[in-house]
Amino acid sequence: RKEVEQDPGPFNVPEGATVAFNCTYSNSASQSFFWYRQDCRKEPKLLMSVYSSGNEDGRFTAQLNRASQYISLLIRDSKLSDSATYLCVVPYTGGFKTIFGAGTRLFVKA
Amino acid sequence: NAGVMQNPRHLVRRRGQEARLRCSPMKGHSHVYWYRQLPEEGLKFMVYLQKENIIDESGMPKERFSAEFPKEGPSILRIQQVVRGDSAAYFCASSPATGLFNQPQHFGDGTRLSIL
Repeated sequence: RKEVEQDPGPFNVPEGATVAFNCTYSNSASQSFFWYRQDCRKEPKLLMSVYSSGNEDGRFTAQLNRASQYISLLIRDSKLSDSATYLCVVPYTGGFKTIFGAGTRLFVKA
Repeated sequence: NAGVMQNPRHLVRRRGQEARLRCSPMKGHSHVYWYRQLPEEGLKFMVYLQKENIIDESGMPKERFSAEFPKEGPSILRIQQVVRGDSAAYFCASSPATGLFNQPQHFGDGTRLSIL
């Protein structure tokens, strides 16, 4: 099993749609999780941090399921500008190596 | 700009030359991470450093690659005798000191390395 696994997509959705991505991780000791977005050929940018059961920021909601070892990202009312690759990030406990998922590509169309 | 600064943005080298990539962390950040991203692939962890110390270099190739973060100055990722396969985007990230709950990393714009 990969340390961090994401559905690569692509997800093609119309504007206004709700879309959800899942990310599974193998290290049950992981305490914190992050979602980043990366636009083509740009640097990753922090979207959300998840330290407990979940987090919400406007149209974005992240949820953590420790028992099943996955985190999800829900985007409501999709905008064209949400088109990007979404990266799930799991640091190892203690802050050493950081594992990035391969990313899920999202295309929002008018 | 108080963000993570990387330079150069683009670097072209011929096979066999050396490449030096620089990264200055955000103000107040003492932890630096280097990642490599090949075209159409995800980010791969290379090395994690604190000032004057390499903490985890488990992602670094065994030969030709080295990293440092001196007491003064930026962190340097050095690639000796570059080969075509080294062509990639190299990203640096920094974070404040971490505890049990890791702080998010903030990324620089990256260095695009092209090997002729």
